[in-house]
Amino acid sequence: EIVLTQSPATLSLSPGERATLSCRASQSVSSYLAWYQQKPGQAPRLLIYEVSNRATGIPARFSGSGSGTDFTLTISSLEPEDFAVYYCQQRSNWPGTFGQGTKVEIK
Amino acid sequence: EVQLVESGGGLVQPGGSLRVSCEASGFTFSSYWMHWVRQAPGKGLVWVSRINSDGSSTTYADSVKGRFTIFRDNAKNTMYLQMNSLRAEDTAVYYCARGRGSYYGNDYFDYWGQGIVVTVSS
Repeated sequence: EIVLTQSPATLSLSPGERATLSCRASQSVSSYLAWYQQKPGQAPRLLIYEVSNRATGIPARFSGSGSGTDFTLTISSLEPEDFAVYYCQQRSNWPGTFGQGTKVEIK
Repeated sequence: EVQLVESGGGLVQPGGSLRVSCEASGFTFSSYWMHWVRQAPGKGLVWVSRINSDGSSTTYADSVKGRFTIFRDNAKNTMYLQMNSLRAEDTAVYYCARGRGSYYGNDYFDYWGQGIVVTVSS
């Protein structure tokens, strides 16, 4: 099973700042990586799939990059509604696995 | 509008059984792989099980294999998870989720239900 390790665990930033979240895989997942956003009491929402493709309705301030084992989710300028937990997920080898999450909190 | 609505959760004793359901609308249910993903209190997301579009192929996480059964009724646009021999560590919010469109079911999850709470405790 592929292990995804996200860093940092918590990111404390102010609205308008840039957020950079990392996801590292225990072995190559090629380009088969997605990012989700989850707010308290809500279901996750797909943001990015295949590393860099935004899902339907996702604003352009969200972008993804990387390949192989190292991936990044960037939020170019944080909006108040972006403070949440973010998970990466791989589909290269089943079972699909998730990272442990990065919480983006208001500084 | 795609909607997934779970039902059937609740409190069950260790060793007991529970069936949760996921009713779909707003898309051609019979064309998609469907999945169950769970989240223990304060923890991350864990994939549990998947079923292909016609119900002929199923896969399970090792942690639930032999205890959980996934199945679907395409005439009712509904997927189910039958959970037997429940343990305290099965306590979680269970989400049904639609596979985004991979032919083999190795997928991302593009729509999620609101989640249903399953608590295993005496």
